[in-house]
Amino acid sequence: AQSVTQPDIHITVSEGASLELRCNYSYGATPYLFWYVQSPGQGLQLLLKYFSGDTLVQGIKGFEAEFKRSQSSFNLRKPSVHWSDAAEYFCAVGAGTGTASKLTFGTGTRLQVTL
Amino acid sequence: KAGVTQTPRYLIKTRGQQVTLSCSPISGHRSVSWYQQTPGQGLQFLFEYFSETQRNKGNFPGRFSGRQFSNSRSEMNVSTLELGDSALYLCASSSGLGSEKLFFGSGTQLSVL
Repeated sequence: AQSVTQPDIHITVSEGASLELRCNYSYGATPYLFWYVQSPGQGLQLLLKYFSGDTLVQGIKGFEAEFKRSQSSFNLRKPSVHWSDAAEYFCAVGAGTGTASKLTFGTGTRLQVTL
Repeated sequence: KAGVTQTPRYLIKTRGQQVTLSCSPISGHRSVSWYQQTPGQGLQFLFEYFSETQRNKGNFPGRFSGRQFSNSRSEMNVSTLELGDSALYLCASSSGLGSEKLFFGSGTQLSVL
């Protein structure tokens, strides 16, 4: 069975500092990987996704993530954090086309941004 | 283009009752999936409907059921509510045709007393 681990429950960074959120997955085949963001009282918004090809993927709001098969990781990064980035971030893995809606999510990382 | 709409936004029920939640997907989307979000269990997949047929199912008891109508709108029903069913229920839509981008609604917050 597939699984996702987000080891950091809560992270605090200063505005303008760089950010890296960790994600490790467990899946037997090539995974479909996603990062979603959830603001308080809102649904989830897709930041970026990886299916194949270039292992460095660019997303919205200046985020990027790098797929590392050897480490089973898909860490999310941003060079300079803005106060509006404060939210909860979820990494997710999917089994592929046809089951793409059946995602397994990590437990999330809550990002706090200090001014 | 309107987003995914979920109604009601908040709901309070008592144990033993049943509840029906509604989800209207983005126009043109044929796939609707449902997730349960709780502080303890996180986000868990309930089921997915595509063109009125259940295509995928998560590991939830039979008290949780759903359906999809010909206009792609979906409803989720929970019978014999338990305290542990208190959660944020999120609906997501996609084209369902190999598109893996899910668009989520803001959810229905269900409280079971």
